[in-house]
Amino acid sequence: DGGITQSPKYLFRKEGQNVTLSCEQNLNHDAMYWYRQDPGQGLRLIYYSQIVNDFQKGDIAEGYSVSREKKESFPLTVTSAQKNPTAFYLCASSISAKNTEAFFGQGTRLTVV
Amino acid sequence: GNSVTQMEGPVTLSEEAFLTINCTYTATGYPSLFWYVQYPGEGLQLLLKATKADDKGSNKGFEATYRKETTSFHLEKGSVQVSDSAVYFCALGGNQFYFGTGTSLTVIP
Repeated sequence: DGGITQSPKYLFRKEGQNVTLSCEQNLNHDAMYWYRQDPGQGLRLIYYSQIVNDFQKGDIAEGYSVSREKKESFPLTVTSAQKNPTAFYLCASSISAKNTEAFFGQGTRLTVV
Repeated sequence: GNSVTQMEGPVTLSEEAFLTINCTYTATGYPSLFWYVQYPGEGLQLLLKATKADDKGSNKGFEATYRKETTSFHLEKGSVQVSDSAVYFCALGGNQFYFGTGTSLTVIP
């Protein structure tokens, strides 16, 4: 089945450790996105990529890093510089970055203790 | 810049009541507009979309019309069910997506 897969669904890390969240899509989409969602809040854009080997910062990129070495993969690293990393992280993709709908993964809930 | 303003929640309705969730937008050009739905602990699912002025998107009894003159894309459903309880997000497309803050809907039997 085509879709976006985020793994793991739940992730626990100790404070000060970097952690990488996986996002894979087999929809052959060019554009991919990472959002952060806090309880009762909307979605805030962390990074997005319109094409392989290129990505741009979103509204809250500080303390995060990404790579886009393959079309189907867009991993997000939450670094120790992120002051409040506990949140629900959503990955999405779209055919292109031109007004087409986004398809979302099931999310990863990261808890830093 | 582009932005979306969405009706504050939470909204609580009785089963079979009429639903309206307001959404207005600010944008340059002619963006596509979307409504997404999120169930607890899950990602967002596309509910409906409209790509140009006066288009009506519809799905599962939900409807929204792209109104350029009022820059609005209000979500409506004539008769809600308990299973419609979820959080609804209005979104604007373009080089990136702009989401509203979400409206939580609870439908009680």
